[in-house]
Amino acid sequence: DAKTTQPNSMESNEEEPVHLPCNHSTISGTDYIHWYRQLPSQGPEYVIHGLTSNVNNRMASLAIAEDRKSSTLILHRATLRDAAVYYCMGDWGGSEKLVFGKGMKLTVNP
Amino acid sequence: DSGVTQTPKHLITATGQRVTLRCSPRSGDLSVYWYQQSLDQGLQFLIQYYNGEERAKGNILERFSAQQFPDLHSELNLSSLELGDSALYFCASTRGGRADEAFFGQGTRLTVV
Repeated sequence: DAKTTQPNSMESNEEEPVHLPCNHSTISGTDYIHWYRQLPSQGPEYVIHGLTSNVNNRMASLAIAEDRKSSTLILHRATLRDAAVYYCMGDWGGSEKLVFGKGMKLTVNP
Repeated sequence: DSGVTQTPKHLITATGQRVTLRCSPRSGDLSVYWYQQSLDQGLQFLIQYYNGEERAKGNILERFSAQQFPDLHSELNLSSLELGDSALYFCASTRGGRADEAFFGQGTRLTVV
């Protein structure tokens, strides 16, 4: 499976925007990029996904680089509830497997 | 509430024993995924089923097996349990398409003593 690379952790302040990066240099042209997050003591929850174009939903925005080798999850105004481990991943090769990496821990300071 | 139900929520058992974890997917979802999450570790993909058939396999031990039944619920069987099998086990369900949003259950916490 292709791999993703994320920082181990990031910190943000409440009410400020947060940009969470992810590298996926071995992605193929048909691989979707998915973002999930896991709050403490909970199951993961879907955040957003995309293929080529930038995507927006009520939770976040996903900016995908033109060469698709990296993407950035944007939380427009971080809240304390956004403190979680964020996973960037893909259904590499159309396998439908959702393979999680180590993820990135986001800390939001009040 | 994700709509995915996992039972039991907690399970304590002894080494060498066998347990069965159950997952009921969201209504209408055909695909079920199983994951293992050990303390402070990431989510390890175990296995995926789609409409009763095994679709993809991850690092699932030979002591572990799973199946998806005609009513689409799934069971993960763990046998000859070892202390290292203590973990949170999550299941997730999707409609079955590649870009589908996955909904996760709250997990079953297994403690092997």
